[in-house]
Amino acid sequence: NFVLTQPHSVSESPGKTVTITCTASGGSIGSNYVQWYQQRPGSAPTCVIYEDNERPSGVPDRFSGSIDSSSNTASLTISGLKTADEADYYCQSSDGTNRVFGGGTKLAVL
Amino acid sequence: EVQLVQSGAEVKKPGESLKISCKASGYIFTRNWIGWVRQIPGKGLEWMGNIYPGDSDTRYSPSFQGQVTISADKSITTAYLQWSSLKASDTAIYYCARRDRDTPMDDYWGQGTLVTVSS
Repeated sequence: NFVLTQPHSVSESPGKTVTITCTASGGSIGSNYVQWYQQRPGSAPTCVIYEDNERPSGVPDRFSGSIDSSSNTASLTISGLKTADEADYYCQSSDGTNRVFGGGTKLAVL
Repeated sequence: EVQLVQSGAEVKKPGESLKISCKASGYIFTRNWIGWVRQIPGKGLEWMGNIYPGDSDTRYSPSFQGQVTISADKSITTAYLQWSSLKASDTAIYYCARRDRDTPMDDYWGQGTLVTVSS
């Protein structure tokens, strides 16, 4: 079965750049688009990247996404980190029939 | 303005049935998939399944197939998630989310419904 694996947590200082990875197993990361969602405590998720590397309107260009087929991994990169970026981040894709979420990564900005 | 407004928190006993709702407005309800996502407190997001209200085509994650029923009522632009017999392990926040018509993005989310199952 198709599984997306993320690191449990990452941390970085304000103003720096951080990359969160999402590694696929049981299928190819490039077969279906990857989305990334941000979830702040007590709130519903919001999409920050769709179709691997597209930003929804209103999402700053500090957020970017990429795919590396050689490592079967999608990545979310956030540059110029702000304390407001502190949240849980989830990758999402599909096995062709069903949608799948990664386990989530807690980003600490400190 | 697109909105998804979910029904309020529920407290139920094991074995009871439950149906929670997601009222959509601000767009043509029959033209977008609506999905349900579970989040056990302190844990990650789990995709449960979705429905296309236009023709009631419904898909379920294998993990939730047979455990819940997803439905929609076009006349009142509302999607539903229901259980026939709740378990304590169903305690979670449940979100509905609209899928964008042209991309795989879930672009609008409900506020979440907390379901607590306890004897």
